[in-house]
Amino acid sequence: DAMVIQNPRYQVTQFGKPVTLSCSQTLNHNVMYWYQQKSSQAPKLLFHYYDKDFNNEADTPDNFQSRRPNTSFCFLDIRSPGLGDAAMYLCATSRDKPGRETQYFGPGTRLLVL
Amino acid sequence: AQSVAQPEDQVNVAEGNPLTVKCTYSVSGNPYLFWYVQYPNRGLQFLLKYITGDNLVKGSYGFEAEFNKSQTSFHLKKPSALVSDSALYFCAVRDGTAGNKLTFGGGTRVLVKP
Repeated sequence: DAMVIQNPRYQVTQFGKPVTLSCSQTLNHNVMYWYQQKSSQAPKLLFHYYDKDFNNEADTPDNFQSRRPNTSFCFLDIRSPGLGDAAMYLCATSRDKPGRETQYFGPGTRLLVL
Repeated sequence: AQSVAQPEDQVNVAEGNPLTVKCTYSVSGNPYLFWYVQYPNRGLQFLLKYITGDNLVKGSYGFEAEFNKSQTSFHLKKPSALVSDSALYFCAVRDGTAGNKLTFGGGTRVLVKP
């Protein structure tokens, strides 16, 4: 049973054309995260939502935005994708605030920028 | 800042032999440690975590890890490796100095040969 769902699995966009990636969860978890992962490197946290409270990482470019309209859904918006934004984008959830809680990851969306 | 190191980029092991993936950490305060596995073009799957209690932690798919405070290590082990264990493995530590986010190691690629 899929618990963290990401659509689409593969996304192709053009340089500078806005793109939105989506994530949904059936776990009813309070926290949702977005990570960027390049070339089998360690995932890099972009931001997370604790309920409706948005927490941005200091080094996340302004080009990346996020929305969480309800508990189940969270979106990653890339306003003007550059070639360097091509990566795997991972969504994750946890029941409560970061720390002891296990994070559960979705299958990821691989973004290709042409 | 807290950190975690995985000293081996790749580990090769024959099927049926013991598998060890190394992880060392540097934290202030109590370490919360996690292991995740990632198969090609997939998200991260949680294997196990150490929060407190027994130093030997048992996880999914026959994996276990031993928390060693004196050596600041949290090595992942499996007594008998399978070809299907070939994947990318990430160790992570809760970073109490950065909002409790997960800090990941660089990853270790495991190749199990038949």
